Amino acid sequence: GAGVSQSPSNKVTEKGKDVELRCDPISGHTALYWYRQSLGQGLEFLIYFQGNSAPDKSGLPSDRFSAERTGGSVSTLTIQRTQQEDSAVYLCASSLAYTQYFGPGTRLTVL
Amino acid sequence: QQQVKQSPQSLIVQKGGIPIINCAYENTAFDYFPWYQQFPGKGPALLIAIRPDVSEKKEGRFTISFNKSAKQFSLHIMDSQPGDSATYFCAASRGSYIPTFGRGTSLIVHP
Repeated sequence: GAGVSQSPSNKVTEKGKDVELRCDPISGHTALYWYRQSLGQGLEFLIYFQGNSAPDKSGLPSDRFSAERTGGSVSTLTIQRTQQEDSAVYLCASSLAYTQYFGPGTRLTVL
Repeated sequence: QQQVKQSPQSLIVQKGGIPIINCAYENTAFDYFPWYQQFPGKGPALLIAIRPDVSEKKEGRFTISFNKSAKQFSLHIMDSQPGDSATYFCAASRGSYIPTFGRGTSLIVHP
């Protein structure tokens, strides 16, 4: 079956612009996670959606970051007024139980 | 504390060697301990996972050893191959909630 997909695969933007990153989870998966991975670094948790519950936003680094999940499926991560330190790979994962299934990521470069 | 400490940060072995990656955790409520493998340009993928009711689990050339009293677990790769060169992340979670990831180990297996 289809795995987690993310778009775009690469995004280059200018400092100060807003960007939207999309995640299509595996159908039927109730949980969805966003992570940030900087070059050679580990996985930094950003936000977690579980079913219809309020999202856990405890990992968002600033109020420039927000995310929504529509209809319990597709999720969009929005970064407003991008900064150079936002450059990283943004990974989305979905799960039904314990195992997380990751997408290929979106590489964001802020010039 | 929700930390998972992973070591070493990088590891180089010859083909056929047995690299060992170690992780230590603090939260005794954790009950699921997966290892993820990530190749360059890809998202992490589940490699093998263990629960605290067993001390060892093998899947092919990959083995997890788990020491509940020491709150440590490790990944062993038998007869390592150049194709095993990747970054490995350990993680720990309580139920299906947000996992805590280690910082990753970059493994290089020389031919």
